[in-house]
Amino acid sequence: AQSVAQPEDQVNVAEGNPLTVKCTYSVSGNPYLFWYVQYPNRGLQFLLKYITGDNLVKGSYGFEAEFNKSQTSFHLKKPSALVSDSALYFCAVRDLEAAGNKLTFGGGTRVLVKP
Amino acid sequence: DARVTQTPRHKVTEMGQEVTMRCQPILGHNTVFWYRQTMMQGLELLAYFRNRAPLDDSGMPKDRFSAEMPDATLATLKIQPSEPRDSAVYFCASGLSQAGVRTQYFGPGTRLLVL
Repeated sequence: AQSVAQPEDQVNVAEGNPLTVKCTYSVSGNPYLFWYVQYPNRGLQFLLKYITGDNLVKGSYGFEAEFNKSQTSFHLKKPSALVSDSALYFCAVRDLEAAGNKLTFGGGTRVLVKP
Repeated sequence: DARVTQTPRHKVTEMGQEVTMRCQPILGHNTVFWYRQTMMQGLELLAYFRNRAPLDDSGMPKDRFSAEMPDATLATLKIQPSEPRDSAVYFCASGLSQAGVRTQYFGPGTRLLVL
């Protein structure tokens, strides 16, 4: 079985400061890892993914995430947060070796960037 | 700019009524997913299709929910009869399955309220 944990319900950060949103995962095989962002009253937008290769993945809007196999983590980061980054962020995992295409999502982390 | 579309965006109905939600996947995508998002359960996968065939609907209450793909450009999710506990946001996502779906692209969602 695969699972994802986002330990923080909410992250508050001042504009211009670094932003980190934490995600840990559990899969029996090799993971595909994803980050999605959801703005109010909108669907989920794809930010970035890790499949293989470089552990540091760069995505949309200046976000990046680092895959750490030993810690089974895939934390999302942005060096300098903007007020417009305030949204709900979801981490998701798919087991590469598992049958089917099921994505398992974390519970989401609400990010509030204050001016 | 290709995107997944969903109709209606909002639906208010009375308990016992039939609800039909529609999704148009991105042209060329052969995999369609239905998710439900609630505060309590987060994002849940209800069903998914590949090449119009249902592959997994284990997340869907069978007695009242049904999902179909009449053709490659239309996916439907039907609830009959609807109940207040079905109130949620329903998302459709599509992807291209090549050795597994690498990225899912989400629609804006249908916000359902059952009174």
